[in-house]
This record gives sequence, C-alpha cells and structure tokens, in this order.
Amino acid sequence: EADIYQTPRYLVIGTGKKITLECSQTMGHDKMYWYQQDPGMELHLIHYSYGVNSTEKGDLSSESTVSRIRTEHFPLTLESARPSHTSQYLCASSGFSTSGRGAQYFGPGTRLTVL
Amino acid sequence: AQTVTQSQPEMSVQEAETVTLSCTYDTSENNYYLFWYKQPPSRQMILVIRQEAYKQQNATENRFSVNFQKAAKSFSLKISDSQLGDTAMYFCAFMKHVGLTGGGNKLTFGTGTQLKVEL
Repeated sequence: EADIYQTPRYLVIGTGKKITLECSQTMGHDKMYWYQQDPGMELHLIHYSYGVNSTEKGDLSSESTVSRIRTEHFPLTLESARPSHTSQYLCASSGFSTSGRGAQYFGPGTRLTVL
Repeated sequence: AQTVTQSQPEMSVQEAETVTLSCTYDTSENNYYLFWYKQPPSRQMILVIRQEAYKQQNATENRFSVNFQKAAKSFSLKISDSQLGDTAMYFCAFMKHVGLTGGGNKLTFGTGTQLKVEL
C-alpha cells in the first residue's frame, strides 16, 4: 500500500465546530487531492493541489478550505461544521515519478459525522 | 467534460469463478488513461489496473485483466478465479493525459459496482 496517511480516521463533532482533517504523504508526490464520498457512492473531487502554494477547487462545491505549505502535507479545514458535511473524506496523491503514471494513491479516509 | 458509467450497481460471483464488470466512458480526448480501483469494506482504496489509451494491448495484472475497446469507449474488468478477498466496491476512472507540464491528474469516477464473492 502507498505511504499516505490521514488523521483522524473517525470524527464525531457538534455543529459549529472548526475541524482540520490531516493528510500526509511520504512519496514526494507533487500533486494531492481531496475527495468527498458518501457511503456506497462515487467520489467527488473537492480540492486539488499541483504543488506547494498551489490549490484549486474541484468539481464539487465545498465549504471547506485547503492549504499546501509543504509538499508532504495537505490539510482540509471546515470553519464551522454542519450536519450536511457528514461524509467520508479521502485524500490522494500522485506524481510523475510514480511507476504507474497518472495513478492516484489514496489514504484510508476520515469518516466525519456532524451532529 | 468526461463521464464514466458503470451500469451494474451490484454483482455477485461464486468463489473460483470469473466475473466481468462493465464500464463505458464518454470523451472527446484521444490521449487518456483508464483505471480500475478497488475499495474493500472499511479499507483503503487501491489501484487494481491501469490502461493507457494509446496502447492497443489490454492490461493484465495477475488475475485481473481488462478488455479495452477504444472505438466503443468501453473498459471492462475481468476477475478470474475470484477470491473472497475480492469482495469490494470497484470504481472505473478516467484521466485526461496532460503531459509533464500540465495540470493535476484529475480523475473522473464512475458510480461503482459492489462485487460480492460467495462461497
């Protein structure tokens, strides 16, 4: 399995709390991604980054924000969580040095529940 | 914009049998990649197999192989000698080829096929 980590794995919080989902990779990949996935459903890209200090919004509108200060780290923040944010959040990374060009490698995900 | 369609929400197969998962896609691009990803229950999404559109030869990884029909825009996954550990959600995904200086390798996913391997 690829070396990409997400913490926490599970998070249950109350409405209005600020949360940060952590994602780190040790593969030196330049590109990183955040996806949102409801149970049994497809993945939707919400943020991506081409490299340090580069972030873009994805195809699915999200109230979350991201930052990319270091190559290996791509945290996602929700300033004020709401029940509609309840979902699974998957982080992924890719790089041209990867033997499988174009392939993204995924973390284990964070399952977020907002009460 | 690209779209990926997986028309089989659920499938089941007996252990040791062969099963084929279907995927079709729509794109105006000529250079692209196609992938199958596997997401076991409560476990990490992993890459199963990838195919480069310019290659006519179908990709193979051990018990997993694809049938890539570029003209028909079809990309099916065949799993031979199915094992209980193959039980998972399988996602077909498309990525446009952007080159070394291009932007991010954005994937477009299908809705997935839930495969259950039974004794």
